[in-house]
Amino acid sequence: DTAVSQTPKYLVTQMGNDKSIKCEQNLGHDTMYWYKQDSKKFLKIMFSYNNKELIINETVPNRFSPKSPDKAHLNLHINSLELGDSAVYFCASSQDVGGHEQYFGPGTRLTVT
Amino acid sequence: DAKTTQPPSMDCAEGRAANLPCNHSTISGNEYVYWYRQIHSQGPQYIIHGLKNNETNEMASLIITEDRKSSTLILPHATLRDTAVYYCIVRGPYYGGATNKLIFGTGTLLAVQP
Repeated sequence: DTAVSQTPKYLVTQMGNDKSIKCEQNLGHDTMYWYKQDSKKFLKIMFSYNNKELIINETVPNRFSPKSPDKAHLNLHINSLELGDSAVYFCASSQDVGGHEQYFGPGTRLTVT
Repeated sequence: DAKTTQPPSMDCAEGRAANLPCNHSTISGNEYVYWYRQIHSQGPQYIIHGLKNNETNEMASLIITEDRKSSTLILPHATLRDTAVYYCIVRGPYYGGATNKLIFGTGTLLAVQP
């Protein structure tokens, strides 16, 4: 069983569109994260949720809106996509906010044309 | 910004020990040292973490100097599948807000040669 799963794995879309990436973890963890890895391979945190509550928002444009319907899911919705949004997006989870181990999903490669 | 410094790349022969260094000279007394790795086209993978003492698990060993200003990750018998970017990260305990975030630097690309 996959611990942290993301869908879709690849997403190609045009500028201006709205898209969503879904993330699910079956580890029973309380805390989930979204990271962005750009073309230069820099990996940076975007958001963190703990028990469905937002605890980190790293000055991400408000076109990005995370939603956590329950603590096993953290979805990322992106409005009005721009070329600069092209990147690989990783979801992760940890047991709690202080958890030493973060488990990452396989990533979603978003390409905006 | 990352609080750690790592060499950009290293080579290691298959079957030999890989020793990956990390400098974290500004580390605070309550900050942990974490190691993650990212195999090509995959998500990062947790390897090990430590505070003061040396640590060992099924994947690797972590050696932290007595002054805690540097550490070394040791993969005892490197295989081709260990080829990856290895990230050394310093992070403190959670005090609320964004204090639990991991800040990834540029890491070390370890190439295990056959």
